[in-house]
Amino acid sequence: KAGVTQTPRYLIKTRGQQVTLSCSPISGHRSVSWYQQTPGQGLQFLFEYFSETQRNKGNFPGRFSGRQFSNSRSEMNVSTLELGDSALYLCASRVTSGRNYEQFFGPGTRLTVL
Amino acid sequence: DQQVKQNSPSLSVQEGRISILNCDYTNSMFDYFLWYKKYPAEGPTFLISISSIKDKNEDGRFTVFLNKSAKHLSLHIVPSQPGDSAVYFCAATGLANDYKLSFGAGTTVTVRA
Repeated sequence: KAGVTQTPRYLIKTRGQQVTLSCSPISGHRSVSWYQQTPGQGLQFLFEYFSETQRNKGNFPGRFSGRQFSNSRSEMNVSTLELGDSALYLCASRVTSGRNYEQFFGPGTRLTVL
Repeated sequence: DQQVKQNSPSLSVQEGRISILNCDYTNSMFDYFLWYKKYPAEGPTFLISISSIKDKNEDGRFTVFLNKSAKHLSLHIVPSQPGDSAVYFCAATGLANDYKLSFGAGTTVTVRA
């Protein structure tokens, strides 16, 4: 079974621009979560989508948004980029049945804002 | 609000010895705990987990211990191998946070030959 895929792997943008990141979950996984990783901060939860609906949201400004499509693929958008948005953005998927809470991560998109 | 804390940013251990990684949490409503391992330029990979109804779970060289009264868990790796050099993240989840994962800041483990 193919793992979680994320595109692109690397991005360089300038302040004020916007960016869209894409995530394809493991087949059969309907929940997709997004995380931001910065040095020393661990993984900060951005949001979770399930069945095309946002079901959970972290403490990030409204510049960060996302959506999920009917095939469970998800996109994350960041508008009006700031230098502090430079980070590794990780997507994770999971099954939502039973007591199974493991999330499976993609390789991430490294975003650099200049 | 950091609900999961890994107070040791780094750990150096000799090959063949035991690595012990610690994690503390503040939310008593967490009922499931996980450890992830992360190499540079890769996403985290799931290592081992434990439910709050247990106090120990073992999988090969990896054992996780949970002390609910102390709100503390630890990961033991025995014996440590060079390939274990990575960043280890502790995570917690539960009904209280709608089963999203709350992560610690990570501990970088270096296994010396």
